[in-house]
Amino acid sequence: EPEVTQTPSHQVTQMGQEVILRCVPISNHLYFYWYRQILGQKVEFLVSFYNNEISEKSEIFDDQFSVERPDGSNFTLKIRSTKLEDSAMYFCASSDRGVGNEQFFGPGTRLTVL
Amino acid sequence: SQQGEEDPQALSIQEGENATMNCSYKTSINNLQWYRQNSGRGLVHLILIRSNEREKHSGRLRVTLDTSKKSSSLLITASRAADTASYFCATATGTYKYIFGTGTRLKVLA
Repeated sequence: EPEVTQTPSHQVTQMGQEVILRCVPISNHLYFYWYRQILGQKVEFLVSFYNNEISEKSEIFDDQFSVERPDGSNFTLKIRSTKLEDSAMYFCASSDRGVGNEQFFGPGTRLTVL
Repeated sequence: SQQGEEDPQALSIQEGENATMNCSYKTSINNLQWYRQNSGRGLVHLILIRSNEREKHSGRLRVTLDTSKKSSSLLITASRAADTASYFCATATGTYKYIFGTGTRLKVLA
């Protein structure tokens, strides 16, 4: 069964460093998403991406964040200058249709900012 | 209440008993999903129920949706120790994002 994959599973970085989290969505999906979950809290939406542009973003997704689909398979989330409060589990998701349809989640990348 | 608020926040039951978790939401939805998350791990999709459906089953799971009350419930029958996890509802409201609830922490005692 096709699934969303994410790498790395755990990333440790120093405050102020740039990190890139990678995701490979399900191959025929067209809509891509990033969510995050701070430890012990609920999963929060960050951004959705379709047709090579952001279709929706939350207030969390500020100028420090960017997303890119650099090729036909990868979908990345970049945090330019990490802060301690960026420590969280980051989930990528994809769907074959847009608004209101089932999203398939990856296993997550745990980001630890020291 | 917030969009996607589960209750109870925590539930502890004996193996073999049924576990019921509830989710309430505020706005109209396109669909609602239930996810399981083991401690520190990823999200495992359990069931999606659309706004025009009232009940769905999958193995030992039964999900109901009452759009008039803006609520959903997840029933796990004959629970097992392996069902110990956090369970979240997530609602699709007509935008691209899913809104997740606060989760119910289920502990099944062997």
